[in-house]
Amino acid sequence: GQQLNQSPQSMFIQEGEDVSMNCTSSSIFNTWLWYKQDPGEGPVLLIALYKAGELTSNGRLTAQFGITRKDSFLNISASIPSDVGIYFCAGQRGAQKLVFGQGTRLTINP
Amino acid sequence: NAGVTQTPKFQVLKTGQSMTLQCAQDMNHNSMYWYRQDPGMGLRLIYYSASEGTTDKGEVPNGYNVSRLNKREFSLRLESAAPSQTSVYFCASTQGALPNTEAFFGQGTRLTVV
Repeated sequence: GQQLNQSPQSMFIQEGEDVSMNCTSSSIFNTWLWYKQDPGEGPVLLIALYKAGELTSNGRLTAQFGITRKDSFLNISASIPSDVGIYFCAGQRGAQKLVFGQGTRLTINP
Repeated sequence: NAGVTQTPKFQVLKTGQSMTLQCAQDMNHNSMYWYRQDPGMGLRLIYYSASEGTTDKGEVPNGYNVSRLNKREFSLRLESAAPSQTSVYFCASTQGALPNTEAFFGQGTRLTVV
């Protein structure tokens, strides 16, 4: 089946640092989504990308849809304690179901 | 303001027991999904229902059955639970199966099979 490779699997950073994570695929997607999951909760959508090359920001978060349509990255600037959680990328192609990456677990040291 | 509601939130089963996980959404969404989440594996699709009256297998359907009872409700059944089915289960819904659609998730059901 379709595979999304998300990296890194985990990150340990200091508060205030910037964070970068990415997803790559062997398949082309028409939509890239980034979700965050807090402990004990379901994933919540952070940013949605619908066009190749699109760069979208949501506060301190910035995500880009790769030109090849096979990758996407998410950056978080000036991290704060509430950024802790697991971040998932997800890709969708046409009317097909969402495919999720393995997740990036973010830990922040105050 | 409920969104997607899953019950129960926690469950412990003995091997061989059966149970049904319930999911309901109040957003009038057409499509509903069941995922399982295991450490280091991300979310893997078990079954989905693109619209009322239809269901399709996802990536890991073995050992599960589903029922799209009506537009609001999509249940997941384990007929004979196995320890390998210990996981966190998430239900999700989307307005449609097209691009430009956001998936809304429930809070999850943590299932342990002993």
